[in-house]
Formats: sequence, structure tokens, C-alpha cells
Amino acid sequence: GAVVSQHPSWVICKSGTSVKIECRSLDFQATTMFWYRQFPKQSLMLMATSNEGSKATYEQGVEKDKFLINHASLTLSTLTVTSAHPEDSSFYICSARDGLLTGELFFGEGSRLTVL
Amino acid sequence: GQSLEQPSEVTAVEGAIVQINCTYQTSGFYGLSWYQQHDGGAPTFLSYNALDGLEETGRFSSFLSRSDSYGYLLLQELQMKDSASYFCALHSGGYQKVTFGTGTKLQVIP
Repeated sequence: GAVVSQHPSWVICKSGTSVKIECRSLDFQATTMFWYRQFPKQSLMLMATSNEGSKATYEQGVEKDKFLINHASLTLSTLTVTSAHPEDSSFYICSARDGLLTGELFFGEGSRLTVL
Repeated sequence: GQSLEQPSEVTAVEGAIVQINCTYQTSGFYGLSWYQQHDGGAPTFLSYNALDGLEETGRFSSFLSRSDSYGYLLLQELQMKDSASYFCALHSGGYQKVTFGTGTKLQVIP
């Protein structure tokens, strides 16, 4: 199956700094990628839909100025958590569809962010 | 908005069959999919229903009834490795965004 690579897997940063997480589709082109956030023992919460060459579509309640998403190419989307605070600590995971209208999303390995 | 509800926990015996239900509320959608997630890992795709009825993939089957706003995942011949969280997910909107349900933690016991 298709492969999505996400890094870093783990990141620890100080409060007030910004962190960038990359999501790459390795063997297919992804016009659309999705960013999720997951708290321990909870479901995946969709944050935004990342569209190549256009602005991301954010879900209600997600601050677009805090969670900057850029989808500059068909194989790369980035999520930047700006001015991170301890409450931003979470598991962030991206996914992509390979362009076919199937139900399958391919997920990255996830990035665990800890803000001190 | 949308909502997808699942039982929070299910326990079943190794070798048995278990059904995980998903009820949803939405104004329109393309299909319902199911994902498995082991602790600390990424979700992996199991099944997708675009139409009503049963889809079978090996030990896993998924069912959708649009008229009842209901779906389920059926796992047969349970194995210990099936212990994981299972999520239903709705595909909707212009970009077919995927919204996940509350999740069900399945524990398989000997």
C-alpha cells in the first residue's frame, strides 16, 4: 500500500516556541491531506484539510493562526504549531488519500508533541 | 454538524465473533469506513462501505444501513492481536474529509 511518512516522531519544545511537523506521501501524489489531533485514550479529531496549492480548510474551533498548514507540493504538507503552550501537547497525525475515491486513508506514524 | 457514537469498550473471547456498532448523525455523506489502531500506533484501514449492505474482507466485515444511520464492524475468529481500538469514520464534504467516531476499545481475552 501507499506510504506516508511523518516527522519528527517526538518533539519537545519550550513554551512560546514554534514547531513544524512534516507529512510526506512517499510513493503517490496526494492532492488532499488531513491533519488530526489525538489525546490519550480519545478519538482522532480532524483539525484541517490540506489542499495542494490552496488554503487549508479548518474545522470549527481550530485556530488557523495557531496551527499553520502549508501544502506546497503534491507530496508534502506541513503543520506548524505557533507559540506553543503546554495545552498544545498532543499526538498529531497526518493522513493522505492516493487520489482514488476509496475509503482508505494512509496515515503517517504520528508526532508526539510535548510543550514544557 | 456530524456525530458518530460507538460503545467505549467491548470484551470478547479468543476465537469468538464480535460486533462493534456505530450510529451516526449527518446531513449527507459518501461512505463509512473502519480503522484499527493499536496503542501508540497509527490507524490502519479495515473496510469501507459506500453503499448499504455487507462488505467482507477476510475476517473482517462491515455493514451499512443509511436508512437506520447505522453501521457495524464484525470481527470473526478473534485473535489476541485484534485487541486494539476501532473507529468508524464518515466521509463527507467536497474534499471527502474523514471524521472519526468516538472509538471502541476491544479487549480479546483467552
